[in-house]
Amino acid sequence: GAVVSQHPSRVICKSGTSVKIECRSLDFQATTMFWYRQFPKQSLMLMATSNEGSKATYEQGVEKDKFLINHASLTLSTLTVTSAHPEDSSFYICSASAQPPIQYFGAGTRLSVL
Amino acid sequence: KNEVEQSPQNLTAQEGEFITINCSYSVGISALHWLQQHPGGGIVSLFMLSSGKKKHGRLIATINIQEKHSSLHITASHPRDSAVYICAVNGETSGSRLTFGEGTQLTVNP
Repeated sequence: GAVVSQHPSRVICKSGTSVKIECRSLDFQATTMFWYRQFPKQSLMLMATSNEGSKATYEQGVEKDKFLINHASLTLSTLTVTSAHPEDSSFYICSASAQPPIQYFGAGTRLSVL
Repeated sequence: KNEVEQSPQNLTAQEGEFITINCSYSVGISALHWLQQHPGGGIVSLFMLSSGKKKHGRLIATINIQEKHSSLHITASHPRDSAVYICAVNGETSGSRLTFGEGTQLTVNP
């Protein structure tokens, strides 16, 4: 099956720093990538949808200046959490799609902001 | 009321038992997905269905479009099946966008 690599798997950072998370489709070209956030014991919450070469579409309530998404190529999307604060601590997971409605998920990134 | 509802929320079984997890949805869909999330957080796509039934190893997924209902069955359950199982749907006009159920935490004891 198709493989989506997400890196890093875990990051611990100090409050005020920025963290970049990468999502790569390894063996297919992803026209659309999705970024999700998951709080403990809760389901995934869609943060934004990104299409290659265009600006991401953010869900209501998600700060676009806080969560910067770049989808510069058909195999790479990045999520940058800017000026991270403890309330940004969460599990972030990406998925990639080439042929809707099929999505392939990354392994996720656990962010802890001290 | 959520667009996608799963039952039960939590399920504990003994090794070898037959397990059923249910998913009901209230919108028109183009596809329904069953996903498995392990304790580490990574998500694996188990099935994508738009009609009928699919089988992969000990896992069987069925969908009834008229009743807006799907079931995931696990035969001869094993402790390694312990995970959160998530039902998700693509709305008819949503393209790739998924709407998720709350998930079912399955624990299989040896």
